[in-house]
Amino acid sequence: AQSVSQHNHHVILSEAASLELGCNYSYGGTVNLFWYVQYPGQHLQLLLKYFSGDPLVKGIKGFEAEFIKSKFSFNLRKPSVQWSDTAEYFCAVIPTGGSYIPTFGRGTSLIVHP
Amino acid sequence: DAMVIQNPRYQVTQFGKPVTLSCSQTLNHNVMYWYQQKSSQAPKLLFHYYDKDFNNEADTPDNFQSRRPNTSFCFLDIRSPGLGDAAMYLCATSRDRSSYNEQFFGPGTRLTVL
Repeated sequence: AQSVSQHNHHVILSEAASLELGCNYSYGGTVNLFWYVQYPGQHLQLLLKYFSGDPLVKGIKGFEAEFIKSKFSFNLRKPSVQWSDTAEYFCAVIPTGGSYIPTFGRGTSLIVHP
Repeated sequence: DAMVIQNPRYQVTQFGKPVTLSCSQTLNHNVMYWYQQKSSQAPKLLFHYYDKDFNNEADTPDNFQSRRPNTSFCFLDIRSPGLGDAAMYLCATSRDRSSYNEQFFGPGTRLTVL
């Protein structure tokens, strides 16, 4: 069974700082990759996704993620965070070989100080 | 707006007293999921429906049951809640059984067991 690791459990940044959240998965085959975000008091929602093609994908609100197949990683980045980026971020993986159930990481709590 | 709705948002019950959480969707999606999420942990899939086909995760306790009377509604029944069942319960949907489908989440129901 696949697993997803998000090593940064809590991240605290000041506004305008750069952000990189790590996501690593363990699965030998092809996967589809997702980042979800949960703002305080709101529901989980999709931030971005990667299926194939250009390994650098862009999502909403200036976020991007890079898929590095050799490292089994799909790290989330933003060049300059804002206070409104304070949220919980979840990485999720779905193997493409017939499954449709995502495996989620435990999440990273990001706090951005104004 | 099409969405996933969960009621109630907060539920308090007593140890051993049955409780039902509800989820409805206006997306007309075929798949509905129930997750349990505890603090600083990944959402844990309890079970899901593809249309009327029920799929239980192997490690979901018998204490948890679910019903899907129609496409729009899905219920989570906890027959005898224990203190360890206190958690956030998330309902999610996806259009179909595909690894390319994102999930759409409701706001969650926070269950407290006294």
